[in-house]
Amino acid sequence: QKEVEQNSGPLSVPEGAIASLNCTYSDRGSQSFFWYRQYSGKSPELIMFIYSNGDKEDGRFTAQLNKASQYVSLLIRDSQPSDSATYLCAVNLRGSTLGRLYFGRGTQLTVWP
Amino acid sequence: DVKVTQSSRYLVKRTGEKVFLECVQDMDHENMFWYRQDPGLGLRLIYFSYDVKMKEKGDIPEGYSVSREKKERFSLILESASTNQTSMYLCASSSGHLYGYTFGSGTRLTVV
Repeated sequence: QKEVEQNSGPLSVPEGAIASLNCTYSDRGSQSFFWYRQYSGKSPELIMFIYSNGDKEDGRFTAQLNKASQYVSLLIRDSQPSDSATYLCAVNLRGSTLGRLYFGRGTQLTVWP
Repeated sequence: DVKVTQSSRYLVKRTGEKVFLECVQDMDHENMFWYRQDPGLGLRLIYFSYDVKMKEKGDIPEGYSVSREKKERFSLILESASTNQTSMYLCASSSGHLYGYTFGSGTRLTVV
């Protein structure tokens, strides 16, 4: 079993819709969870982090964490064409050495006008 | 803002050459990482370092080495470049597990 898995996509949504990106992880003891956005040809940039169960909102983005079920999700409300990118889920698994993050392979999102 | 700077955006090298990729961060982070990213394979960790002169192997260290002589600088070395090392190389730094990584802009290396 891979440590961090994402719904493979690609995901395509119309402008204004809600995009839902999901991620599961292998270790229930994991402590910190991150979402990165990566535009084509660019490096990943951190857009959200969450440590506690529940929802965390930042503008149009909401991260949701359920440690019992070992999943973390990212909701993008009112999706815009500029949100078209690959979204990477990253987890600091329990026992990770020195803050090492484990990444999913990413979900490619396309928002069409 | 934390800045992570990779010295080259694009590099073309010949098979068998020794290649140096440089990474510098300006926020006094302890931890630095080198990844490569390939289509369909995601990010794969090559090496990381948690202090000057300290290094740990990642998941794919073969064919690579690293150097960290100063806290702000972490270098990736391809001892003898091969075509299967053609990839996007990403450097990242972090101050701990609660803070995530900041990535550099990446170096796209082509080995011919």
